[in-house]
Amino acid sequence: GAGVSQSPRYKVAKRGQDVALRCDPISGHVSLFWYQQALGQGPEFLTYFQNEAQLDKSGLPSDRFFAERPEGSVSTLKIQRTQQEDSAVYLCASSQSGNRDSPLHFGNGTRLTVT
Amino acid sequence: GNSVTQMEGPVTLSEEAFLTINCTYTATGYPSLFWYVQYPGEGLQLLLKATKADDKGSNKGFEATYRKETTSFHLEKGSVQVSDSAVYFCALSEYGGATNKLIFGTGTLLAVQP
Repeated sequence: GAGVSQSPRYKVAKRGQDVALRCDPISGHVSLFWYQQALGQGPEFLTYFQNEAQLDKSGLPSDRFFAERPEGSVSTLKIQRTQQEDSAVYLCASSQSGNRDSPLHFGNGTRLTVT
Repeated sequence: GNSVTQMEGPVTLSEEAFLTINCTYTATGYPSLFWYVQYPGEGLQLLLKATKADDKGSNKGFEATYRKETTSFHLEKGSVQVSDSAVYFCALSEYGGATNKLIFGTGTLLAVQP
């Protein structure tokens, strides 16, 4: 597609449920990022892939969060045993390269609400 | 660690008013600096960027100058329009890092009234 696509657009989960959020980056983009954006805040870095390799996962808030990109294209962010504090918009971004000046292209995000 | 501080919003202006949104940063080395914009219901979009001191980024009538001496990257526009209403995020990309990971400010909501 022309841009970064994320699904679902909205997700409501009961506390304790597992969720999986999908990201389809722009075709050919090497780098892929996941960010978490709480209400009224800026996006906060979660994790980064270069192709299929997860090079940085320093932003994942707990071991309940897991991300993968097995074929270097589509990525999935999984949250196990969701908690209310996980409620946020989860943003995916891709870029053509890992060069520091290579702009990030963001998807519209998945809004997760944990009840 | 590296961080970005933006002026708090909301900023409410009348159409054709002058806009300034302040942004300062803390970073080791020489980061690249960015402004992203998020229109209602849409994803973040790159507005402009500057990669070294004294560079000026510009786009759609917006501009920002990378000031190393004051560690600032203030966003300005001479005459805002209703269509500029959005949330604006200042961000930096760490120099020397292995990635183009961005660190964002908290965002500033701009509301332009006709």
